[in-house]
Amino acid sequence: SQELEQSPQSLIVQEGKNLTINCTSSKTLYGLYWYKQKYGEGLIFLMMLQKGGEEKSHEKITAKLDEKKQQSSLHITASQPSHAGIYLCGASTGTASKLTFGTGTRLQVTL
Amino acid sequence: DVKVTQSSRYLVKRTGEKVFLECVQDMDHENMFWYRQDPGLGLRLIYFSYDVKMKEKGDIPEGYSVSREKKERFSLILESASTNQTSMYLCASSPPQGRSGYTFGSGTRLTVV
Repeated sequence: SQELEQSPQSLIVQEGKNLTINCTSSKTLYGLYWYKQKYGEGLIFLMMLQKGGEEKSHEKITAKLDEKKQQSSLHITASQPSHAGIYLCGASTGTASKLTFGTGTRLQVTL
Repeated sequence: DVKVTQSSRYLVKRTGEKVFLECVQDMDHENMFWYRQDPGLGLRLIYFSYDVKMKEKGDIPEGYSVSREKKERFSLILESASTNQTSMYLCASSPPQGRSGYTFGSGTRLTVV
């Protein structure tokens, strides 16, 4: 079955610093989704990547999918306290719609 | 604003009780999903549905069943709740093939005592 590995598991950064979260798949990805979760709440959709080499940005968050479609990175520029939360990658490996998720990266942003 | 609504944020139930978790979406999505989220294990798929009255098992269906009588509603049923079903339950919906992402509800934190 599809397995997704996220790294790091947790991250503490100072406000204003940049950071990167990685998501690696054991299989070629059909679609890769990034979500953010505030503690105890639902998931907020950030971005979806489908094509090898694709890159998308929203405000200060940039996500990339490598050419082989097995690894994605999420980069936050000039982090702010509002970026704190759990970041999850989810992936599908075919046209079937169900997603498999990584275990998440917990981000804390200190002042 | 489009939404996936889960009927309860917090629930406390006794061992052996039959528990219903309700999920309603207003986006006319074909696909609906139930996940549970546990520390260190991430989100795991319990059941999903591609259409009304259709259901498919996910990765951890044991101890659960589902019902989808109407397109907008997907119910998760714990036939006889057990303490190892204490968890955060998340419902999601999506259009076919996940175009434009999957929309999640706010979650139901279930405690079985």
